[in-house]
Amino acid sequence: RKEVEQDPGPFNVPEGATVAFNCTYSNSASQSFFWYRQDCRKEPKLLMSVYSSGNEDGRFTAQLNRASQYISLLIRDSKLSDSATYLCVVKGDSSYKLIFGSGTRLLVRP
Amino acid sequence: GAVVSQHPSWVICKSGTSVKIECRSLDFQATTMFWYRQFPKQSLMLMATSNEGSKATYEQGVEKDKFLINHASLTLSTLTVTSAHPEDSSFYICSARAASGGYQETQYFGPGTRLLVL
Repeated sequence: RKEVEQDPGPFNVPEGATVAFNCTYSNSASQSFFWYRQDCRKEPKLLMSVYSSGNEDGRFTAQLNRASQYISLLIRDSKLSDSATYLCVVKGDSSYKLIFGSGTRLLVRP
Repeated sequence: GAVVSQHPSWVICKSGTSVKIECRSLDFQATTMFWYRQFPKQSLMLMATSNEGSKATYEQGVEKDKFLINHASLTLSTLTVTSAHPEDSSFYICSARAASGGYQETQYFGPGTRLLVL
């Protein structure tokens, strides 16, 4: 079983749509959680950290369910510029190592 | 924000040659740098963790004699792919973790180096 699992997609949605991505992780001792965005042939860029209480940044909302070992990202009012691959990332319990999911690809069409 | 650079951004080489990739933290000191590899349509896979002044820690399955890492200063780590073969063709990305201050929890990624071995 992969340490971090994501639906690869692609999710093909119209502009203005709301889309949700899910992610599960296997190590219950994981401490920190993130969503990164990666554009084609570019490095990943931090989109937002994910906190137990849930957090929102503009059109983006991230939630964490530790009991289910499940992380989600909700994007509201999708823009064309949101088209990218979204990576679910987990940091382990006692190291700085980041474990990346394989990513979920989003395509926002006009 | 913190900036990490990589050089070169892309390289094409013949099979059997060695390629060195540099990773620099431009405006902060990085005690720890990480080297990742990403094959097409796959996730980033951590290859090794590089600590300034000490030997790198390699992930399982990564040959330390093939992927030589040197972290000689707080702003520079290098990855040398020795005797490169076509299967080493990949996107190599480094990240750096700041030594102190408010950046401590965040890793900052370099723009990546695309390696093609013919």
